[in-house]
Amino acid sequence: DIQMTQSPSSLSASVGDRVTITCQTSQDISNYLNWYQQKPGHAPKLLIFDASNLDTGVPSRFSGSGSGTLFTFTINSLQPEDIATYYCQRYDNLPPWPFGQGTKVEIK
Amino acid sequence: EVQLVEFGGGFVQPGGSLRLSCAASGFTFSRFWMTWVRQAPGKGLEWVATIKEDGSDKYYVDSVKGRFTISRDNAKNSLYLQMNSLRVEDTAVYYCARESGYEDYWGQGTLVTVSS
Repeated sequence: DIQMTQSPSSLSASVGDRVTITCQTSQDISNYLNWYQQKPGHAPKLLIFDASNLDTGVPSRFSGSGSGTLFTFTINSLQPEDIATYYCQRYDNLPPWPFGQGTKVEIK
Repeated sequence: EVQLVEFGGGFVQPGGSLRLSCAASGFTFSRFWMTWVRQAPGKGLEWVATIKEDGSDKYYVDSVKGRFTISRDNAKNSLYLQMNSLRVEDTAVYYCARESGYEDYWGQGTLVTVSS
C-alpha cells in the first residue's frame, strides 16, 4: 500500500501569516491528491482536488501544488475562520484512498 | 440541494452488530460511487469502504475486511454499512460521502460506540 506522510501534525501562526502543509507519498501518484478542511464538530469539507484545483466557492487564499510524491497546501494569509484540521488524501484509480494524519492549525 | 443523512449509530458491545444507513437526496444517486469514512474520538479521518454506482464492486480498508459490508439500494437512494464482530477500536463517527473523484458531499455523521 502507498504510505501517506503529512506534516506538521500541528502548527500555530498569526493572522495574516502564510501557512504551509506538506504531504508525501511513498509512490508516485501523479496529481491524484485532495485536501480537506475539518472544523471541530463538523464533517470535512473539500478544498482542493487533483492537487491544485480549488473547489467551487473556496477562497483564493487557499492553494495546492505538487505532483508525483510531494504535495504542498498553502494558506496565503491566515484568517481566524481557517482554524481547523487539514487532511490530504490520495485519490487515484481505485481504493484504498487513505487520508494523511492531519494538521491542526491554530492561531498564535 | 445535495443531502446525505446518516442514521443507525448507537451503543453496542464488543462482538455485536450494527447497520448504518445513509439517505441521499438532491442528486441522481445511482450515478455515483459512495463511501464511508470514519473518525475515532480525537483522531484523524479513516477511509473505510467504497461501493461503485451499481454495487458491482466494493472496496474495504484492511481492518474491516470480513467484518463490514457496504451495500446500496439505488431504488431507495440509500447506502448501508453492515458492521459485524464490532471491536472497541471501531468506535467512531461514521460519515457517508459522495464520490466525484473526491468526496464532494458529506453527511453529518453518526456515532458508533463499542464498549462493554
